[in-house]
Amino acid sequence: DADVTQTPRNRITKTGKRIMLECSQTKGHDRMYWYRQDPGLGLRLIYYSFDVKDINKGEISDGYSVSRQAQAKFSLSLESAIPNQTALYFCATSLAGAETQYFGPGTRLLVL
Amino acid sequence: GIQVEQSPPDLILQEGANSTLRCNFSDSVNNLQWFHQNPWGQLINLFYIPSGTKQNGRLSATTVATERYSLLYISSSQTTDSGVYFCAVGIYNQGGKLIFGQGTELSVKP
Repeated sequence: DADVTQTPRNRITKTGKRIMLECSQTKGHDRMYWYRQDPGLGLRLIYYSFDVKDINKGEISDGYSVSRQAQAKFSLSLESAIPNQTALYFCATSLAGAETQYFGPGTRLLVL
Repeated sequence: GIQVEQSPPDLILQEGANSTLRCNFSDSVNNLQWFHQNPWGQLINLFYIPSGTKQNGRLSATTVATERYSLLYISSSQTTDSGVYFCAVGIYNQGGKLIFGQGTELSVKP
C-alpha cells in the first residue's frame, strides 16, 4: 500500500464549484504540504502544516483553504474554482526534524 | 527568496549514453532533493543530498554546498529514465518547504 494517498486522482469541475482534495498518509509524519504544478513548471507551495493545530500559508494560498483533520489527513479546498486553478496537485509529508519530503501520486484537476 | 536554476532545460540522449544535470541555488540551504517525474506525473524521490555524494545504481548525485550547486549523474541511460528531473531546496527556518527548479526534461531514445 502507498504511504501517501490522494483522492480523487482526477477531477473535472465547473467554474464556481467548491471542491475538496484529500490526502492521507501512513508514514506517521508530522508535517504535511500541498503543492500545485502547472504545465512545464516546477511545484509551488500552497499550504503546509506542522501538526493539527499549526497551519501556514505558502506562496500561492489565495483561493484555497486547508483542514488538518488528524495527523494523518490534510485536505485542500477550492472555495470557488476558477479555470486558472487547473493544475496537478500534490500532497507531501515529512518527519519533523528530518526534511526528506515524500509525495503522493497527485490529483489532476480540470476547471471548466 | 531562494532562486533555483536547472540546466539544461531539455536533453535528448541515445540509450546507453551518460548525462549530467545541474542545479544551482542562490543561498545556503539545509535540504536538497532530486526527483524524477515520470510521464504519468508521479514524483519519485531520487536523493536527499544537502551535501556530499550519494550513489544508487546508475544514478549518483553530488552537492557542493559551499559553491551552491548540485549535480545529478545518469549513467548508461535507459528509455525508462525519460521524464522530468527536478531539483528542490529548502531551509529549516522556513518550515521545511521546498523550492523547486523548473526541471530538466530528459528524453532517452532507443
